[in-house]
Amino acid sequence: DIQMTQSPSLLSASVGDRVTINCKASQNINKYLNWYQQKLGEAPKLLIYNTNNLQTGIPSRFSGSGSGTDYTLTISSLQPEDFGTYFCFQHNSWPGTFGSGTKLEIK
Amino acid sequence: EVQLQESGPGLVKPSQSLSLTCSVTGYSITSNYWGWIRKFPGNKMEWMGYISYSGSTSYNPSLKSRISITRDTSKNQFFLQLNSVTTEDTATYYCARYYMGINYWGQGVMVTVSS
Repeated sequence: DIQMTQSPSLLSASVGDRVTINCKASQNINKYLNWYQQKLGEAPKLLIYNTNNLQTGIPSRFSGSGSGTDYTLTISSLQPEDFGTYFCFQHNSWPGTFGSGTKLEIK
Repeated sequence: EVQLQESGPGLVKPSQSLSLTCSVTGYSITSNYWGWIRKFPGNKMEWMGYISYSGSTSYNPSLKSRISITRDTSKNQFFLQLNSVTTEDTATYYCARYYMGINYWGQGVMVTVSS
């Protein structure tokens, strides 16, 4: 299985900050990388699919980039409602595998 | 909008079977792919398997001998059965729709395996 290494595991930032979260795959995943946000007790929400495609209804402050083995989620200007846990998921090869998650706290 | 809701027992005894139901509204399970994911204590997640629009299935090799995913198209539901559970199967179980990766999830149901 492809291993996904996500960093950082914990992130504390202020409203208005630019925030980046990274996922590194153990092999090339051909941009088949999604990003999700999850809040406690809620279903995970798809933010970005296939590296850089914004899911319908997601604010444009969220963006994704990357290629090969290295991928990044960026929040351009952090808002109070952006707290939660973010994780990546590769679906290049079966079974898809997940990053370990980044808990984002608002200072 | 697509909505998924898991249901089933929150406590299962070791060596028994874990059975969960995913009820889908807003979309027919005869389209796309529908699967199960679990999140262990400590937050590691595992993609368990899926059932396709045609009823074919694919399972994570780590579970292949213990898992079964089936469906009832008349009720727009699909099901997870995991046999011979141990305490290591304690997790939150999510059902999901798979399209461009996983694009809709249920809220999850916590299942504890304990005597």
